[in-house]
Amino acid sequence: DGGITQSPKYLFRKEGQNVTLSCEQNLNHDAMYWYRQDPGQGLRLIYYSQIVNDFQKGDIAEGYSVSREKKESFPLTVTSAQKNPTAFYLCASTNTGQGGVDTQYFGPGTRLTVL
Amino acid sequence: GESVGLHLPTLSVQEGDNSIINCAYSNSASDYFIWYKQESGKGPQFIIDIRSNMDKRQGQRVTVLLNKTVKHLSLQIAATQPGDSAVYFCAENNAGNMLTFGGGTRLMVKP
Repeated sequence: DGGITQSPKYLFRKEGQNVTLSCEQNLNHDAMYWYRQDPGQGLRLIYYSQIVNDFQKGDIAEGYSVSREKKESFPLTVTSAQKNPTAFYLCASTNTGQGGVDTQYFGPGTRLTVL
Repeated sequence: GESVGLHLPTLSVQEGDNSIINCAYSNSASDYFIWYKQESGKGPQFIIDIRSNMDKRQGQRVTVLLNKTVKHLSLQIAATQPGDSAVYFCAENNAGNMLTFGGGTRLMVKP
């Protein structure tokens, strides 16, 4: 099946540790995104990548880092510099065709909890 | 700044009734809008989209209406079912492939 997978589903981190969240897609989408969702709130953009080996900061990039070495993969690292990392993290992808903006499709999410 | 918002945070409807979820947007340059459904603990699921050259689009049991004059977007769900209970988000494109999301409306379906 085509789609976006995220792992792990649940992740626990001790304060001061870096953790990496995985996002993989087999939709052949060019663009990938990371969002953070806090309880009862909408999605806030952390980082995005329109093409391999290139990525841009979103609205809340501080304390996070990403890489885009392969088209299919866009891992997110939550560093110890992120002071309030407990949240639900969502990865999305979309085509970037000539037809203009297209729908973003989401993965199932990773819930990160800092102990 | 530009924003996407929702009129009601919670909507409670009787099973079988029609539901209408509203969304106001402020970026008059937006040309693409999406509605997502998010169940608890899951990622948002695409429901329906509409481009600004249309004012109505229908799917299976869902209809999206776009009123560009008053910058208003609505999602209509016909014959609401218990499985429709979720949080619904509207989103608009603000530049390129970037989307701005509203805060969400929780739909509760009473049996």
